[in-house]
Amino acid sequence: KAGVTQTPRYLIKTRGQQVTLSCSPISGHRSVSWYQQTPGQGLQFLFEYFSETQRNKGNFPGRFSGRQFSNSRSEMNVSTLELGDSALYLCASSRTGSLVADTQYFGPGTRLTVL
Amino acid sequence: AQSVTQLGSHVSVSEGALVLLRCNYSSSVPPYLFWYVQYPNQGLQLLLKYTTGATLVKGINGFEAEFKKSETSFHLTKPSAHMSDAAEYFCAVSGGGNTPLVFGKGTRLSVIA
Repeated sequence: KAGVTQTPRYLIKTRGQQVTLSCSPISGHRSVSWYQQTPGQGLQFLFEYFSETQRNKGNFPGRFSGRQFSNSRSEMNVSTLELGDSALYLCASSRTGSLVADTQYFGPGTRLTVL
Repeated sequence: AQSVTQLGSHVSVSEGALVLLRCNYSSSVPPYLFWYVQYPNQGLQLLLKYTTGATLVKGINGFEAEFKKSETSFHLTKPSAHMSDAAEYFCAVSGGGNTPLVFGKGTRLSVIA
């Protein structure tokens, strides 16, 4: 079956712009989580959506937002981009969102570069 | 609150040698522990996880890890390294349920022929 897909794979933006990243989960998966990966801070949790509702949110400023659609596809948006937002953004999906009873499958990520 | 410390940002081993990647955790609740691998230009793949029960956990690709509560450790091992094992490895902890993963900084494994 198809894995988690993320579009676009690479993106270059300038400071002050906004960006929208997309994630299509594995069919049947209702939970989508987003992570930011940078060399300095490592992997950090952004937020998790389940059935169109945000269930968890990490410690990121309000410039980072997301949403989930009825088909479980998710988007994340970053407004007023800063240089420090340059990162690999990873999306992961699972059926229930339970890390204990379930398995998260990660997409290949979107590499965002802010100039 | 949970946190993870991975000792050694870079580990280099010879092909056929033992792989040992170290992970120590801190958790205010019984932890659930995970190891993920990331190959270049790819997302993360789950190697194994400890939830409850047997403390020695076997994963994919010949890897295993042992949960030692007294040492707050969850080190990853593989008896014999292959060239294909060269990647970045991440240890992570969760408090369970829908609690998000907290990752370590990662250890890059190089395998020398």
